[in-house]
Amino acid sequence: QVQLVESGGGLVKPGGSLRLSCAASGFIFSDYYMSWIRQAPGKGLEWVSFINTSGDTIYYADSVKGRFTISRDNAKNSLYLQMNSLRAEDTAVYYCASSPFGELFYNYWGQGTLVTVSS
Amino acid sequence: EIVLTQSPATLSLSPGERATLSCRASQSVSSYLAWYQQNLGQAPRLLIYDTSNRATGIPARFSGRGSGTDFTLTISSLEPEDFAVYFCQQRSNWPPTFGGGTKVEIK
Repeated sequence: QVQLVESGGGLVKPGGSLRLSCAASGFIFSDYYMSWIRQAPGKGLEWVSFINTSGDTIYYADSVKGRFTISRDNAKNSLYLQMNSLRAEDTAVYYCASSPFGELFYNYWGQGTLVTVSS
Repeated sequence: EIVLTQSPATLSLSPGERATLSCRASQSVSSYLAWYQQNLGQAPRLLIYDTSNRATGIPARFSGRGSGTDFTLTISSLEPEDFAVYFCQQRSNWPPTFGGGTKVEIK
């Protein structure tokens, strides 16, 4: 069955860095767009970043542009999010989510990994 | 960016009742609207995409309609597992955006 499993979250001080990973299985990873979407505690959903199937088209939300970097390794069926210069407002559960090729709704989601930015 | 406004914020209903949830866009999103269900402590689950297409495995009691700026998700007869938070999402314009959510709670 389809699985997306995030890892790498944790507690980090403001200004620090974290690298999130998302391991995919049960579907042809290289055929799907991938995104990171976050949810602050008790809040709604916020799209963070997008990467296309080959990795040569990437977009970021303005709130993270210049600080976060998305990447993927299709050979390893994995998605990544390098997060630098973290701020308190980046505290959230981070989900990786897939979209069918050419679409931008999210058909598969991971269980999420919590990132807490606090001193 | 396109702002999606969901109403009501909370809907209090009993099992077996009909639920009607609204999502209004700040500008036209054509038919590019999706709905997700999120249970407490879980990831969102895709219910409906492109206004009215049910995702794989989604029961027929879930239906969506609308176009342009006004959209509706209807749950024809609430089952116990349907009490959750529902989000709409548009993919018409960058960036993709989500509504603030409607919580369907047991009355």
